[in-house]
Amino acid sequence: QVTLKESGPGILQPSQTLSLTCTFSGFSLSTYGMGVGWIRQPSGKGLEWLANIWWDDDKYYNPSLKNRLTISKDTSNNQAFLKITNVDTADTATYYCARYNSGFDYWGQGVMVTVSS
Amino acid sequence: DTVLTQSPALAVSPGERVTISCRASESVSTGMHWYQQKPGQQPKLLIYGASNLESGVPARFSGSGSGTDFTLTIDPVEADDTATYFCQQSWNDLTFGSGTKLEIK
Repeated sequence: QVTLKESGPGILQPSQTLSLTCTFSGFSLSTYGMGVGWIRQPSGKGLEWLANIWWDDDKYYNPSLKNRLTISKDTSNNQAFLKITNVDTADTATYYCARYNSGFDYWGQGVMVTVSS
Repeated sequence: DTVLTQSPALAVSPGERVTISCRASESVSTGMHWYQQKPGQQPKLLIYGASNLESGVPARFSGSGSGTDFTLTIDPVEADDTATYFCQQSWNDLTFGSGTKLEIK
């Protein structure tokens, strides 16, 4: 059974760095072709892809956010991470991690992140 | 960036056939996937690779297209299909469409 769960700070202030953790089970990020991605969704709005990391440690970023994003993984502990630097109120959203295997086939429940002073 | 354009909303009656379209600003070959999202829930993968039905998804859902024009078809529509449907391409980085909100009358 594949499960993913996101965790994060809940609330943070503008200019801080957002650190998110995705803890998963039921698959390994060392398996050929496997990936994990981060996607966010402001309340009432659409989905925005942020970044993907692959089994071979290859990384892909949304070009419009690339200079603020860092994705990484800890294969031994079945975790993936995302850091977003210099956050702003526009980064307020629900953040999802999802397994990528020909589309995002398994998703976490999402974690709400609010940026507010 | 590859921009995906979807119509914002549709309303159909139960039992009808509905087609939801997604147009890409450049070719994405068959690197197109479709998701269903109900309020308060995470998205759910319905179709991958333009036309492949994800395991466990009812056969009422189907996908077609290649290049720049893609379609998600639900036939017949049921009341439980009320949701927002997103397309997503994986040919040029990854991008999502803005979503089509489907209302069942």
